[in-house]
Amino acid sequence: DQQVKQNSPSLSVQEGRISILNCDYTNSMFDYFLWYKKYPAEGPTFLISISSIKDKNEDGRFTVFLNKSAKHLSLHIVPSQPGDSAVYFCAAAAAGNKLTFGGGTRVLVKP
Amino acid sequence: KAGVTQTPRYLIKTRGQQVTLSCSPISGHRSVSWYQQTPGQGLQFLFEYFSETQRNKGNFPGRFSGRQFSNSRSEMNVSTLELGDSALYLCASSLQTPPRDTQYFGPGTRLTVL
Repeated sequence: DQQVKQNSPSLSVQEGRISILNCDYTNSMFDYFLWYKKYPAEGPTFLISISSIKDKNEDGRFTVFLNKSAKHLSLHIVPSQPGDSAVYFCAAAAAGNKLTFGGGTRVLVKP
Repeated sequence: KAGVTQTPRYLIKTRGQQVTLSCSPISGHRSVSWYQQTPGQGLQFLFEYFSETQRNKGNFPGRFSGRQFSNSRSEMNVSTLELGDSALYLCASSLQTPPRDTQYFGPGTRLTVL
């Protein structure tokens, strides 16, 4: 049973445009959400997080939105750059801190 | 500061064998978590250790085990290897309590079971 789902396995976007990555979850106990970026042959790198008491968190070009009623979060990257080409994972945690990851979305930013 | 290191980086084993993977966390980090990454399943949580105690465990069979030493270094062991154990095994460390304390991942150990 996949509690965290990223329904788009891949996304292609033009440099300078917005990238929107989506993530859905089913467990209403999740109260902390994160996004990680992964390049080939490297471990994932933390990007941004959001607590369930907020609905938006920004860090530079990255913004995460949380819609608790829809059990949906999204990551916006504006503007997209070629160096953003990577696999992006969303993850969620409930009290107890065990992280549950989505399957990942591969982003390709075209120059 | 040196990052999280994992050894070996690549490993080939045959079915039925056992394997031990090693993880050295960032200096000062007390929590070490292990994850399995496969193409179809994404990253799946194996277990987390904090100060030599297993604090959390994922839904993996008992063939998967781990431990943490007093210097925070951690090992995971997989006994009686199966073909489906072929995966990238990632280790992550954090200062105190993940995920609210940021986890830093190592490059992983690529295990191939033949």
